[in-house]
Amino acid sequence: GENVEQHPSTLSVQEGDSAVIKCTYSDSASNYFPWYKQELGKGPQLIIDIRSNVGEKKDQRIAVTLNKTAKHFSLHITETQPEDSAVYFCAASRRGTYKYIFGTGTRLKVLA
Amino acid sequence: SQTIHQWPATLVQPVGSPLSLECTVEGTSNPNLYWYRQAAGRGLQLLFYSVGIGQISSEVPQNLSASRPQDRQFILSSKKLLLSDSGFYLCAWRTGTVTSYNSPLHFGNGTRLTVT
Repeated sequence: GENVEQHPSTLSVQEGDSAVIKCTYSDSASNYFPWYKQELGKGPQLIIDIRSNVGEKKDQRIAVTLNKTAKHFSLHITETQPEDSAVYFCAASRRGTYKYIFGTGTRLKVLA
Repeated sequence: SQTIHQWPATLVQPVGSPLSLECTVEGTSNPNLYWYRQAAGRGLQLLFYSVGIGQISSEVPQNLSASRPQDRQFILSSKKLLLSDSGFYLCAWRTGTVTSYNSPLHFGNGTRLTVT
């Protein structure tokens, strides 16, 4: 069945450094890839998403890249801050389905 | 703008008791609605999905059921809770409009359920 693998499961970086989280999907028909940030005790919040018709999207310190050939996509956070500490989930979905296949999450710790 | 509300935020229930969790969405019509469960430190497990009033799809056979009595209301229920029902329950919505690309899911802030 469809699967999304997410790595690493935990990531610690120094404040100001960059963080990269990678996901690989199995369904080649996937064409929409959202990223979520989940803070402790809260629901996941959408932080950025990308469609398969583009290779990269940026929003301030956050960027997502997509490699359709290799079927992987990555979240890049630059100039990390303590408030970036959270669990991040990637997901993949394809048109016409109700399913969003989520990765298993990455716990990011930004050390001050 | 659209908002999603879940309540209660936390709930402690004894084994064998009933459950009712409610979710409502404001600012949109005909949303697709979802219930997910998240075990401690784990990923997201899809429980139920609904495209309209009275239309419920179940992903995982279990001790839970869902209902959608109104367009923007989604309810998760159980007649008798099990210890294994403990977890973090999340409601989510997305636009019901079908386009070339799926639209994002928007999550509520969840209900932390502890079954004792």
